[in-house]
Amino acid sequence: QKEVEQDPGPLSVPEGAIVSLNCTYSNSAFQYFMWYRQYSRKGPELLMYTYSSGNKEDGRFTAQVDKSSKYISLFIRDSQPSDSATYLCAMSVKNQGGKLIFGQGTELSVKP
Amino acid sequence: GAVVSQHPSRVICKSGTSVKIECRSLDFQATTMFWYRQFPKQSLMLMATSNEGSKATYEQGVEKDKFLINHASLTLSTLTVTSAHPEDSSFYICSATKETFYGYTFGSGTRLTVV
Repeated sequence: QKEVEQDPGPLSVPEGAIVSLNCTYSNSAFQYFMWYRQYSRKGPELLMYTYSSGNKEDGRFTAQVDKSSKYISLFIRDSQPSDSATYLCAMSVKNQGGKLIFGQGTELSVKP
Repeated sequence: GAVVSQHPSRVICKSGTSVKIECRSLDFQATTMFWYRQFPKQSLMLMATSNEGSKATYEQGVEKDKFLINHASLTLSTLTVTSAHPEDSSFYICSATKETFYGYTFGSGTRLTVV
């Protein structure tokens, strides 16, 4: 079993839709949770990070963490064609030297 | 702030030659830099972690003699793929951080093709 599981998609939605992206994890030691966006042939770009259960909002993006269920989500409201990219969840443990464990990534396509 | 520059963005080399990829943090001093490899439609696989002035820590299964990492300063790390073979063709990405557990900044990646 992988430490971090993420549905690879692809996920296709119409413009304006609410998008829900999810990851589950098995290692209860994970303390930091991040979402990255990666455009084709580019490096990942940090969207959001959090370290506590609950919700964190940033504009159209909401990151949600449920440590009891070992489940994290990223919601995108009013999705735009420019949101089309691969979204990767990532997690880290404080005493592992900052090593990130990534999910497989979900490929999202927002159609105009 | 927090910009990481990686180059070259793409390189084609002949089998048996060596290729060097540079990763620079432009506006901050990176305590730690990481090197990843990514295959098409797959996630990032951590290859090694490097700290300035010390030897890199390689992940299990990564050949340290093939993938040489040098972290000469707080703003520069290099990955050298030695005696490259076609199976080394991949997308290599570096990241740097001054915050240990989050806030990583990634370079734009290097697409290596070995022919």
